[in-house]
Amino acid sequence: NAGVMQNPRHLVRRRGQEARLRCSPMKGHSHVYWYRQLPEEGLKFMVYLQKENIIDESGMPKERFSAEFPKEGPSILRIQQVVRGDSAAYFCASSAGTLEYEQYFGPGTRLTVT
Amino acid sequence: SQQGEEDPQALSIQEGENATMNCSYKTSINNLQWYRQNSGRGLVHLILIRSNEREKHSGRLRVTLDTSKKSSSLLITASRAADTASYFCATDHGAAGNKLTFGGGTRVLVKP
Repeated sequence: NAGVMQNPRHLVRRRGQEARLRCSPMKGHSHVYWYRQLPEEGLKFMVYLQKENIIDESGMPKERFSAEFPKEGPSILRIQQVVRGDSAAYFCASSAGTLEYEQYFGPGTRLTVT
Repeated sequence: SQQGEEDPQALSIQEGENATMNCSYKTSINNLQWYRQNSGRGLVHLILIRSNEREKHSGRLRVTLDTSKKSSSLLITASRAADTASYFCATDHGAAGNKLTFGGGTRVLVKP
């Protein structure tokens, strides 16, 4: 059973470009979470999605950031018009349920904005 | 803020010694989880302890939870060089979807 997959592992974008980060949850998991980690810091929650629904986006910046988890295919975190402050590691996690279920994390995508 | 805070921020020990790190939080939780992160890598889940549990063991790991003090500790016994990593506590406060709130982590260096 493959774990949570994220791609790309490393992404370099120039200021103003768009970044698309992909996450495939573990098989059988329908709950996906995105977290952001700045250097030397802990992870900060961004958004929680179930298939075709955004359940909690309280951690998402109001502008330029969006997320989706379509019926088919991976979850996508999209950052438009990236700025240097968006440089961070973005982690996706998935779980089988929401009540005391462990979240399993992917290897992360390290975004560098030049 | 609900954010968990780890203490100490950094810890350096010799192989074979025990390593203890603490986590404090501010509001009630459903459960608390500990994760390990090797440099530049993803997070590995270590232990989940529920709010009605006081202690849990997994191999060389021992986690305690004191909900009256809103704190938890992670003990690594007989440490090995391979235990060198950052350790994070994450709290589930029962929000929709059980999103996790992470602390800033404890950076553990185990010297051979």
